[in-house]
Amino acid sequence: AQSVAQPEDQVNVAEGNPLTVKCTYSVSGNPYLFWYVQYPNRGLQFLLKYITGDNLVKGSYGFEAEFNKSQTSFHLKKPSALVSDSALYFCAVRATRTGANNLFFGTGTRLTVIP
Amino acid sequence: GAGVSQTPSNKVTEKGKYVELRCDPISGHTALYWYRQSLGQGPEFLIYFQGTGAADDSGLPNDRFFAVRPEGSVSTLKIQRTERGDSAVYLCASSYDLTGELFFGEGSRLTVL
Repeated sequence: AQSVAQPEDQVNVAEGNPLTVKCTYSVSGNPYLFWYVQYPNRGLQFLLKYITGDNLVKGSYGFEAEFNKSQTSFHLKKPSALVSDSALYFCAVRATRTGANNLFFGTGTRLTVIP
Repeated sequence: GAGVSQTPSNKVTEKGKYVELRCDPISGHTALYWYRQSLGQGPEFLIYFQGTGAADDSGLPNDRFFAVRPEGSVSTLKIQRTERGDSAVYLCASSYDLTGELFFGEGSRLTVL
């Protein structure tokens, strides 16, 4: 069975500082990994994905994430946080084997960027 | 519009009533997903369609929940004999293929009194 763990419910960071939102996963075979962001009373917006290839993927709004197969992690990072980055962030995993196409989400991490 | 459209955006109903939630995916997307999100939780998978058929309905909580996608485009999530525990935001998403990201609608907020 596939699962995603986001160990931190809340992350606080000062504006201008680097930020990291952690994610680890468990899946049979190779994973497809995704990060989504959710602003209050809005739907989920896609940030970035890892399918194959380079372990460092870059996405929207200056975010990036690094796929680490040995640690089964896919942490979200940004070099310099903005107050507007404050939102709820979800990591998600999909198995690549046939028939397991649903995307499984973590419980989310609330990021607060302090001015 | 070009995005995933969900209607109604808000639905308040009484316990025991029947509810339908509609999703209009992005044109050309063959895969359509329904998720349910409770306050403070991540989206919980309900059902996934590839074309007209339900490829995976393992997330439907019980037989009161049913979804259809008769022409491979618009989908309707149907909930019979609603219970207060069904209150949540129901999210619909579509994707172009299996490796593609899901594009989500704004959700339908269901409140069962």
